Amino acid sequence: AQTVTQSQPEMSVQEAETVTLSCTYDTSENNYYLFWYKQPPSRQMILVIRQEAYKQQNATENRFSVNFQKAAKSFSLKISDSQLGDTAMYFCAFMKHGAGSYQLTFGKGTKLSVIP
Amino acid sequence: NAGVMQNPRHLVRRRGQEARLRCSPMKGHSHVYWYRQLPEEGLKFMVYLQKENIIDESGMPKERFSAEFPKEGPSILRIQQVVRGDSAAYFCASSLDYSYEQYFGPGTRLTVT
Repeated sequence: AQTVTQSQPEMSVQEAETVTLSCTYDTSENNYYLFWYKQPPSRQMILVIRQEAYKQQNATENRFSVNFQKAAKSFSLKISDSQLGDTAMYFCAFMKHGAGSYQLTFGKGTKLSVIP
Repeated sequence: NAGVMQNPRHLVRRRGQEARLRCSPMKGHSHVYWYRQLPEEGLKFMVYLQKENIIDESGMPKERFSAEFPKEGPSILRIQQVVRGDSAAYFCASSLDYSYEQYFGPGTRLTVT
């Protein structure tokens, strides 16, 4: 079974600054996907960024980028130029590739507060 | 293009009653997933369905919980004889055939009194 660990229950960052959220995972699989989801106070789950394990290049989406270290099973999220709208819960998630099921395994989340 | 729709958004049930949660996937999506989020926790997978088939129910409690995704109409998550521990937010997600991208609905918050 896969596990996802987010070791920072809460974090805060000043507006316009950069923050990094940590995520580690445990799996015996070689092919998989990793995701970061954002859950604002509205509780809607929003996909922020995804990474395919077979790709060495780190994924980037505008102000969001990841540092994917496959050997270390680490998948951190960096948010640059933080904005007030980035205030939310952030969940790291894992999905096995193939195997007939596409269930996501989530960490417990990190609550990020962006301070004006 | 409407996203994933869930209703009701809030549902209050007394212990012992039945709860029915509905999920309409995005247009063109034929795969539906249900997740449960307990307070202060991440989402936990419950069940994965395709039209008229349950593909993976490894996360479903063995009793009182059932899910369906009929040929016509929304997917339904049914909880019989609810207990206080069933109070949670229930999220539905949908995807295209065999896609790793899941799009989430706004969730249904179930409160059992």
